[in-house]
Amino acid sequence: AQTVTQSQPEMSVQEAETVTLSCTYDTSENNYYLFWYKQPPSRQMILVIRQEAYKQQNATENRFSVNFQKAAKSFSLKISDSQLGDTAMYFCAFMKLGSSNTGKLIFGQGTTLQVKP
Amino acid sequence: DVKVTQSSRYLVKRTGEKVFLECVQDMDHENMFWYRQDPGLGLRLIYFSYDVKMKEKGDIPEGYSVSREKKERFSLILESASTNQTSMYLCASRVRTVLTGEKLFFGSGTQLSVL
Repeated sequence: AQTVTQSQPEMSVQEAETVTLSCTYDTSENNYYLFWYKQPPSRQMILVIRQEAYKQQNATENRFSVNFQKAAKSFSLKISDSQLGDTAMYFCAFMKLGSSNTGKLIFGQGTTLQVKP
Repeated sequence: DVKVTQSSRYLVKRTGEKVFLECVQDMDHENMFWYRQDPGLGLRLIYFSYDVKMKEKGDIPEGYSVSREKKERFSLILESASTNQTSMYLCASRVRTVLTGEKLFFGSGTQLSVL
């Protein structure tokens, strides 16, 4: 069975600074996706970034980038130039691919990020 | 934009009541999911459906059932609500294309309190 672990329940960062959120996962699969989702106080889950396991290049989306270490099963999220609107809960998630892919996501426990002015 | 709508944002029910949580998506997606979100536990999958009238148990199905009579609507049913079912419930639908890969779209959640 797959598991996802986020070991930082809460983090804070000053506006305009950089912060890194950690995520580790455990799987015997070789073909999968990893995701970071953001959940602001509105509760709407927003996809931040996605990484296909077969791609060696780390995914980037504007101020958001990941450090994907497949051998170490690590998938951290870096937020550069933090903005007040980045304040939210962040979830790391895993999806198995392949012929048995059902689209199920396995989530970590979440990290609450507060950006301070 | 894909829209996933959950009928209630907040719901308060009594122990033993039958509770229906409704979710509707407007993009003809085949796969739909119900998750519950609890502090410190993240989101856990209750049930999912991969087509009309087709369903499968997730990781924590006990005390829940689901109904999918039409493609756009996926209902979560608490047959006899209990206090340990007080939680946030999130619905999602999924699309997978060659161009976009995997994408899930979430509703904005129903916060259920069982008293």
